[in-house]
Order: sequence, then structure tokens, then C-alpha cells
Amino acid sequence: KNQVEQSPQSLIILEGKNCTLQCNYTVSPFSNLRWYKQDTGRGPVSLTIMTFSENTKSNGRYTATLDADTKQSSLHITASQLSDSASYICVVIVSDRGSTLGRLYFGRGTQLTVWP
Amino acid sequence: DTEVTQTPKHLVMGMTNKKSLKCEQHMGHRAMYWYKQKAKKPPELMFVYSYEKLSINESVPSRFSPECPNSSLLNLHLHALQPEDSALYLCASSREAGARGYGYTFGSGTRLTVV
Repeated sequence: KNQVEQSPQSLIILEGKNCTLQCNYTVSPFSNLRWYKQDTGRGPVSLTIMTFSENTKSNGRYTATLDADTKQSSLHITASQLSDSASYICVVIVSDRGSTLGRLYFGRGTQLTVWP
Repeated sequence: DTEVTQTPKHLVMGMTNKKSLKCEQHMGHRAMYWYKQKAKKPPELMFVYSYEKLSINESVPSRFSPECPNSSLLNLHLHALQPEDSALYLCASSREAGARGYGYTFGSGTRLTVV
């Protein structure tokens, strides 16, 4: 079972609408959680980074929330644009320096399509 | 400079060819990584270099050979690849391996096709 689960797997919305993507994780010990945007055939680009003590973080039209107690995060996109069409990946980084050295735990991503 | 630069962006190679992928960063990061990503799947870690030393090899076949000539450069040498090795190869760097991902940055990737 994947330790980082994202939903929905895919989403289609109309331009200008808002949407929320979900991420649930079981990875521990938790250090920080990141949301990345990945265009097809390109590398992931960081949108937000949230540590244990942060509940909300915004980056332009992107707002991420984190509930470390329930191990849930969400990414809210407001006023969607055609260029928002991409895969959105939730990534959890652990704080253990042992066998998890250098490892990121990836969700499978939510494929967002914005239609005009 | 806050980027990880990968070259080439696209590569088509035959199964008998030898080629190399290159990755460069000038952020002073001491950890560098190679990932393989198949379509619609998350990236899979291949190798981790920490202070120019190989610290993690995720049981990657020997036809993939990493090299870290210095703290800014990371190469991936390819030889006798199979068609199923076709994928997006991503390089990443971070301040230090295990430092909770501080400064973790991905390159734009090399799209590799093996024919």
C-alpha cells in the first residue's frame, strides 16, 4: 500500500472554477510535505512546502493546508487557468536520517485538466 | 542560480549505443539524485550521491552507471539499454541528503527513448 494517497486520480474543471485536491499519508516520522506541479514530460516544480507546525500556506492562486494530526493535506486552486492543466503531486519527506536518507515519498498525483 | 540543468532534453538511442545524461547545479548542494519516471507514475529513486560519494543504489541494473565528477555535476552513463528503459530521467539536488529535503530542486528531465 502506497504511503501517500491522493484523490481524485483525475479531475476536469472549467476555466475560472476552483478545485481542491486531497492527500492522505501514513509516512512517519513526518518532516515536511510538499505539493509539486508537473507538466507532461517536464520535471516537478515546487508549489508549497509545509512543516509540522504550519496549517496553511499560499503561493498565488495555490493554497495548501495541512492537518498533521489526521495526516491530511489539501491543495486548493482558485480561478483556474488553462495553464493549470498538469499533474499535481503530493510528496512527504521524513525526518529520519537512517535508512530513509535522501528519500521522498511520492503520491501518484492528480491529473488536472482545465477546459476553456 | 536556483536551477538544476539537465542535458540533453531528448535522447533517442539504440540498444547497442553508449550515451550519457548530464546534470548540473550551482546552488552549493551536496546531495544529488537520479530518478526514473514512467508515464503516469511517480518518480522512482535510482541513485543518491552525498558529498560526491554514492550513498544509495536502489538495485539499479548495471547498464545504468552514475558518476559524480565534482559537487556540481552528476552524470548517468547508459549502455546496452532495453526498450523498457524508455522514460523521463530526472535529476534533483538538495542541500544535504537527509537534511529534510532542504532546497530540494528537480531538473526538467531528459526524455529517453530506446529503440
